[in-house]
Amino acid sequence: DAGITQSPRHKVTETGTPVTLRCHQTENHRYMYWYRQDPGHGLRLIHYSYGVKDTDKGEVSDGYSVSRSKTEDFLLTLESATSSQTSVYFCAIRDSGGGYNEQFFGPGTRLTVL
Amino acid sequence: AQTVTQSQPEMSVQEAETVTLSCTYDTSESDYYLFWYKQPPSRQMILVIRQEAYKQQNATENRFSVNFQKAAKSFSLKISDSQLGDAAMYFCALWVLQGAQKLVFGQGTRLTINP
Repeated sequence: DAGITQSPRHKVTETGTPVTLRCHQTENHRYMYWYRQDPGHGLRLIHYSYGVKDTDKGEVSDGYSVSRSKTEDFLLTLESATSSQTSVYFCAIRDSGGGYNEQFFGPGTRLTVL
Repeated sequence: AQTVTQSQPEMSVQEAETVTLSCTYDTSESDYYLFWYKQPPSRQMILVIRQEAYKQQNATENRFSVNFQKAAKSFSLKISDSQLGDAAMYFCALWVLQGAQKLVFGQGTRLTINP
């Protein structure tokens, strides 16, 4: 358990509404990531952060924005949700402790856009 | 660009038997890690095993071991003495330590354990 929580865990919303997902970590990791998981695609990177206010795009960033105003929180926003954004969203942190580089994942958020 | 391919969408094995899940990858970088993650029905992503590309010795974690063939860009997972709790989706992932440093995942293999 890398101390990662996500909220909400489940959300149903309507097309065109804004949605914000929150990832919270308790262990002061510098790198944080947002992935989405869809059948047949594994997990794909949306955005990542390498420090407070330092973020960059992943391979499927269109329609998403992120913010990181403090180390422990990384927010993912869908400005105007679309049905194609129905997915399971995972937050992850990079742990470089002990000489290893590993990513640990939060429990996921299932988002349904009607 | 990096890619990871898992060519077996589904596999099944009898309890207590051994099963091997296949993974191939492609990268032009020399410094990278490879991982196998397990995702049970709870949806939690669980790290199973890690392999550093610079290490020639294959990684082992209890009943889980890998066959890392760097030249062939192959990274298979062997599960020995399969248990019912091993039933899950398994994802192979590549992490290149340059640039964006993101994990690139394969499509996954669903493993069923038959009692």
